[in-house]
Amino acid sequence: DAGVTQSPTHLIKTRGQQVTLRCSPKSGHDTVSWYQQALGQGPQFIFQYYEEEERQRGNFPDRFSGHQFPNYSSELNVNALLLGDSALYLCASSLGTGTGDSPLHFGNGTRLTVT
Amino acid sequence: SQQGEEDPQALSIQEGENATMNCSYKTSINNLQWYRQNSGRGLVHLILIRSNEREKHSGRLRVTLDTSKKSSSLLITASRAADTASYFCATASGGGADGLTFGKGTHLIIQP
Repeated sequence: DAGVTQSPTHLIKTRGQQVTLRCSPKSGHDTVSWYQQALGQGPQFIFQYYEEEERQRGNFPDRFSGHQFPNYSSELNVNALLLGDSALYLCASSLGTGTGDSPLHFGNGTRLTVT
Repeated sequence: SQQGEEDPQALSIQEGENATMNCSYKTSINNLQWYRQNSGRGLVHLILIRSNEREKHSGRLRVTLDTSKKSSSLLITASRAADTASYFCATASGGGADGLTFGKGTHLIIQP
């Protein structure tokens, strides 16, 4: 049973460019959340997708956008990259119980470096 | 912004000893969860405690929750070298969605 998979594992981009990160959820999960983790910090919630709609969003600018496909996989897009966007981007899947008590299953992340 | 704050930021103990780390949060919660992260990898869910629970056990893990003090503790008994990792508390504050607010974590080192 495959867990959460993310691609690519590492990425180097230049300021101003755009990037797309991909995530496949754990089998049986229908909800995907994205988190940004800066070095030495805890993950920060970006947004969550359920039934192909953005259900909840954290305090991130509109440069961060996403999409969920009918097979529940998801993409995170970041436009106009800034140096401060350098971080580990984590995807997590869960069951959309609607009660907030479904544990998250994380992928190993995409390490994004912006130069 | 980060709601949870773990304490201490770093902890180094000998193998076999118990490790205790604490978490404080600011707003009311539906539940509190603890996760472990090995260096550079994804987080692994350890345990979830609901706001109406006071204590929960899972193997060598014991979690307590004091909603009046807005705090939680994670105890790892009989530590092993493999327990070396960063530990994060995360809170869910309601609204029916699963977006979690994480603290900054406690980095635990188990010395052989």
